[in-house]
Amino acid sequence: KQEVTQIPAALSVPEGENLVLNCSFTDSAIYNLQWFRQDPGKGLTSLLLIQSSQREQTSGRLNASLDKSSGRSTLYIAASQPGDSATYLCALRGSTLGRLYFGRGTQLTVWP
Amino acid sequence: NAGVTQTPKFRILKIGQSMTLQCAQDMNHNYMYWYRQDPGMGLKLIYYSVGAGITDKGEVPNGYNVSRSTTEDFPLRLELAAPSQTSVYFCASSAPTGGTYNEQFFGPGTRLTVL
Repeated sequence: KQEVTQIPAALSVPEGENLVLNCSFTDSAIYNLQWFRQDPGKGLTSLLLIQSSQREQTSGRLNASLDKSSGRSTLYIAASQPGDSATYLCALRGSTLGRLYFGRGTQLTVWP
Repeated sequence: NAGVTQTPKFRILKIGQSMTLQCAQDMNHNYMYWYRQDPGMGLKLIYYSVGAGITDKGEVPNGYNVSRSTTEDFPLRLELAAPSQTSVYFCASSAPTGGTYNEQFFGPGTRLTVL
């Protein structure tokens, strides 16, 4: 069974810092990996999707990498802003009909 | 496109009551999913469907039922609600492209409390 772990569970940084969120997984047989953002009391917003054949994806200040051999993905956020404060979830699409395996998330607070 | 819509947004049930959580998508996606999210936890799969008339159990199906009579709709039924079903419920959909399943799109969620 796929296990997904996100470290750290919580992170508090001052505005302007570059930061890295980590996601590790136990089964490298994945189709893709998706990073989501979740604001308090809200649904999930997809940030980046990396296919299993890709190494990284970029969108604005966000960059996500994937290393299947080591079972790791990182989400890099450049020049963090208070508006980036949210919970970030990592999810893997496994081999069974597209279901996602989620980590518990990293709760990020960026203070002015 | 409205994307994935869910109703209601909030609901309080008494133990033993039943209800149906509604989910609809207008993206013509074949695959639809129901997840639940407990506080401080990741999402867990309850049921999923790969097309109209086809459903299957996920990781935590006990206490729930689903149906898929159309491509657009995927309601989740709770029978005999229990406090353990207090959670936030998310519906999602996706479409396969070739041999690769692409990103899932999520609804805004239904926050359910069972007292």
